Amino acid sequence: DAKTTQPNSMESNEEEPVHLPCNHSTISGTDYIHWYRQLPSQGPEYVIHGLTSNVNNRMASLAIAEDRKSSTLILHRATLRDAAVYYCKSSGGSNYKLTFGKGTLLTVNP
Amino acid sequence: NAGVTQTPKFQVLKTGQSMTLQCAQDMNHNSMYWYRQDPGMGLRLIYYSASEGTTDKGEVPNGYNVSRLNKREFSLRLESAAPSQTSVYFCASSVSGTSSEKLFFGSGTQLSVL
Repeated sequence: DAKTTQPNSMESNEEEPVHLPCNHSTISGTDYIHWYRQLPSQGPEYVIHGLTSNVNNRMASLAIAEDRKSSTLILHRATLRDAAVYYCKSSGGSNYKLTFGKGTLLTVNP
Repeated sequence: NAGVTQTPKFQVLKTGQSMTLQCAQDMNHNSMYWYRQDPGMGLRLIYYSASEGTTDKGEVPNGYNVSRLNKREFSLRLESAAPSQTSVYFCASSVSGTSSEKLFFGSGTQLSVL
């Protein structure tokens, strides 16, 4: 399982874009990059995932570096409801190895 | 659409007591997982079941047993609870466990062992 590194915490203002970084320098060529978030007192929820190309969905965008050693989760306009812990993980060959690190605690200021 | 349902939501046990955490999914998924989350530790995989009839150990299996009762249900049993097992437990499922799939999580069981 490729090791990932994320900042412990980040802060943003409401309605501003947020860029959450993740380093995964030992990722293998077939590992997907997954992002999940966990709101207070809830289970984690899927945000987005990708392999090589940048990905967009209704929640966020995922920008993957050309060498795949890093990625950035982009929330285009942060809301108070986006305050959560965001986890970045590589799949390590299958979902069975999708363990989670400590993630980034995102605080959104009104 | 219920998704992944866990019961109970809260439980307090005394050291040495046993209990079973229940998990059920209604999405016809083949793969199911049990995680524990401790403060500042992220989520750690306890056991997983790739498909009905199979189970395998994850990162922290000691002190736990699991049963994949059928395709829908995957239970986690603590035979003799210890204070070190105080944690929040999450069940998850996915279609077939491949690396491109997303996981669906339940809302968790908060367990305290005194």
